[in-house]
Amino acid sequence: ETGVTQTPRHLVMGMTNKKSLKCEQHLGHNAMYWYKQSAKKPLELMFVYNFKEQTENNSVPSRFSPECPNSSHLFLHLHTLQPEDSALYLCASSQDRLAPDTQYFGPGTRLTVL
Amino acid sequence: DQQVKQNSPSLSVQEGRISILNCDYTNSMFDYFLWYKKYPAEGPTFLISISSIKDKNEDGRFTVFLNKSAKHLSLHIVPSQPGDSAVYFCAALSGANNLFFGTGTRLTVIP
Repeated sequence: ETGVTQTPRHLVMGMTNKKSLKCEQHLGHNAMYWYKQSAKKPLELMFVYNFKEQTENNSVPSRFSPECPNSSHLFLHLHTLQPEDSALYLCASSQDRLAPDTQYFGPGTRLTVL
Repeated sequence: DQQVKQNSPSLSVQEGRISILNCDYTNSMFDYFLWYKKYPAEGPTFLISISSIKDKNEDGRFTVFLNKSAKHLSLHIVPSQPGDSAVYFCAALSGANNLFFGTGTRLTVIP
């Protein structure tokens, strides 16, 4: 498998559920990103990891909890979400944090919170 | 407030004609601009970029123009092909900071 993969592709969850989104990159990159795209809004950066260390948290609510166990994997743990959190969640990677202009994106997870 | 704006949510163009997608920005510190293309059920893919020291960059059928004084850039696709039908995102970068994206323009090329 090549590029950036994300699972699941679709997720429906209740407000009391706990779920996790997974991202995996096969590009040998060192930086990984989570973005949120809500309807009619631009992509919003949520978190940045560089060499497994979180370098940016863009004022994201604590009900979103990222985890980066190694440079190839990135998770987004979700708990007690709100309906307004329904969106497309995109993962991306780049060679390193200093090269954000060469980000490769995964296909995204379409999340619906009931 | 959005720093990168794409005011046209959609655009339809006849095959073979020119497609022009527009993007405006507000932050004068942006020094690098990119266009991404997104097909349904796929993530955005990088298409073409331009540095603020240039006013034009061309790659095959795709040309990006930058007007720094107007804080405006545009993507020209000529000739347009049905396979170009996708959502196009404009993005801007300041130094090594984060990318700021526009809301996208859906291009439909009519055969």
